[in-house]
Amino acid sequence: SAVISQKPSRDICQRGTSLTIQCQVDSQVTMMFWYRQQPGQSLTLIATANQGSEATYESGFVIDKFPISRPNLTFSTLTVSNMSPEDSSIYLCSVDYRGETQYFGPGTRLLVL
Amino acid sequence: GESVGLHLPTLSVQEGDNSIINCAYSNSASDYFIWYKQESGKGPQFIIDIRSNMDKRQGQRVTVLLNKTVKHLSLQIAATQPGDSAVYFCAEGSTDSWGKLQFGAGTQVVVTP
Repeated sequence: SAVISQKPSRDICQRGTSLTIQCQVDSQVTMMFWYRQQPGQSLTLIATANQGSEATYESGFVIDKFPISRPNLTFSTLTVSNMSPEDSSIYLCSVDYRGETQYFGPGTRLLVL
Repeated sequence: GESVGLHLPTLSVQEGDNSIINCAYSNSASDYFIWYKQESGKGPQFIIDIRSNMDKRQGQRVTVLLNKTVKHLSLQIAATQPGDSAVYFCAEGSTDSWGKLQFGAGTQVVVTP
């Protein structure tokens, strides 16, 4: 399996600010994804992080709010921009492992005041 | 079972008994399915997956059953242990859009002594 780490593990931010979350994988992977898990709820896909090109966003998510970088095959960042309390969630990255299945990172717990 | 918002369906199981967690999926085009376990404060942990060309797959203490006719998935945990207490999510995906998972609402499993 792939070992995935995320930084920071948690943060408390003021509204109007931005936070960049990092995701690092211990092996090269073709596909990386970002999900959001709102309090007490299930996971929703935000976007697919494409290496060398712009991310592909799901309905309801836009690049201005959630810019994503994917500079190489082991690393991606998600920025939550101009935050409001409604952005308080767990943000998770996942990777497709060898085209077989998907593993998740430990998540970043964000609280916006 | 399914639920909306903060009220996850809860399955209370006595230690040593078998658990059965059910999931109804929505997309008839989905051809692979994954069960995840999420403990408090952690990211989803891969348990087992199954492709649509199978109706049963077994792992260590777990069995996944797939009924495509009624779009139903179940996870059976044998000899449930306290460490099995967590929220369990089913996720569905399609090889046409590999990696994009749609998650169910989740089931809270509580193991009692």
